[in-house]
Amino acid sequence: AQSVTQPDIHITVSEGASLELRCNYSYGATPYLFWYVQSPGQGLQLLLKYFSGDTLVQGIKGFEAEFKRSQSSFNLRKPSVHWSDAAEYFCAVARWSGGGADGLTFGKGTHLIIQP
Amino acid sequence: ETGVTQSPTHLIKTRGQQVTLRCSSQSGHNTVSWYQQALGQGPQFIFQYYREEENGRGNFPPRFSGLQFPNYSSELNVNALELDDSALYLCASSTPSGSVADTQYFGPGTRLTVL
Repeated sequence: AQSVTQPDIHITVSEGASLELRCNYSYGATPYLFWYVQSPGQGLQLLLKYFSGDTLVQGIKGFEAEFKRSQSSFNLRKPSVHWSDAAEYFCAVARWSGGGADGLTFGKGTHLIIQP
Repeated sequence: ETGVTQSPTHLIKTRGQQVTLRCSSQSGHNTVSWYQQALGQGPQFIFQYYREEENGRGNFPPRFSGLQFPNYSSELNVNALELDDSALYLCASSTPSGSVADTQYFGPGTRLTVL
């Protein structure tokens, strides 16, 4: 079964500094990978996704992620964070069951704190 | 374009009761997925509906059931509520091909508290 690990529960970054959030996945074939952001009391917003092709994926709000098959990783990066980036970040991989692809398997999330 | 909407926003029930949560999918989307997000955890997939049929199910007992209607709106029903069912329930809709490879757009969720 597929799984997603986000090793960092909390990360604190100064405003203007660079950011990298880690995500490792376990899946036998080529995965479909996603990063979502969740602000307090809100639903999930898609930042970016990887299906195939270029391993460096650009997303919204200045985020990017790099797929590294050899490391089973899909880390999220941003060159300069803003206070408004403070939120919970979730990495997810598509589920594949006997009937085909259906839901998403999420990691436990990384809570991003921005210091002024 | 109207996004995914969910009702109610908050709900309080007691153990053993039944609850129905509702979701209206984004315009043009015919696939709806439901997720349970416990406090401090990532969302867990409950099930997905595609063209009114259950298309996949996560590791949830049968007391979690669903429906999808011809207008692609959906309901999540939970019977015999347990304290551990307290969570944020998220609905997501996706584009017409019905594959998880399509982007899933999430609603704001329904916060269920079971006392």
